[in-house]
Amino acid sequence: KQEVTQIPAALSVPEGENLVLNCSFTDSAIYNLQWFRQDPGKGLTSLLLIQSSQREQTSGRLNASLDKSSGRSTLYIAASQPGDSATYLCAVRLYNTDKLIFGTGTRLQVFP
Amino acid sequence: NAGVMQNPRHLVRRRGQEARLRCSPVKGHSHVYWYRQLPEEGLKFMVYLQKENIIDESGMPKERFSAEFPKEGPSILRIQQVVRGDSAAYFCASSPNSQGAGGELFFGEGSRLTVL
Repeated sequence: KQEVTQIPAALSVPEGENLVLNCSFTDSAIYNLQWFRQDPGKGLTSLLLIQSSQREQTSGRLNASLDKSSGRSTLYIAASQPGDSATYLCAVRLYNTDKLIFGTGTRLQVFP
Repeated sequence: NAGVMQNPRHLVRRRGQEARLRCSPVKGHSHVYWYRQLPEEGLKFMVYLQKENIIDESGMPKERFSAEFPKEGPSILRIQQVVRGDSAAYFCASSPNSQGAGGELFFGEGSRLTVL
């Protein structure tokens, strides 16, 4: 059974810091991995999608890496800003199903 | 260029009533997914539908819950005889195709059900 774990569960940092959020999964037979952002009371915004054949994806200040063999992905946020405050979720998509399996998220607070 | 539209955004029901949640996917998307987020928990898969077909309902509770995605109109998640434990945020997502072609999901804002 695929399990997705995110560490840390919560993070509070001053703005300007570079951050690393971690996601680990137990079954490496994934199709892709997606990082989302969720603001309180809101839906999910897709940040980055990494296919299983890829090692990383970049969008602006965000960079996500994928190491299937070790069952890990990291989301790197450069020069964090208060507007980055949100919960960050990673989700893996399995082969032979169309389900996304979500981690429980990292709640990030960036203070001025 | 509307994204995934869900309504109602908030719904309050008393125990025993029915809840109907609607989801209109991104225009052109034919694959719809429903997820549930219980308080302080992660999102859990419920059901995956294509037009007029349920593809995978392995995450749906066996009783009281049903979903459909008709040829015309939105996808509907229906919960009969609601109980307090059904209180949650229900998210709909859509994609233009299945995992065989990239498979990025786009989520709606969610419908928050409160059962009194």
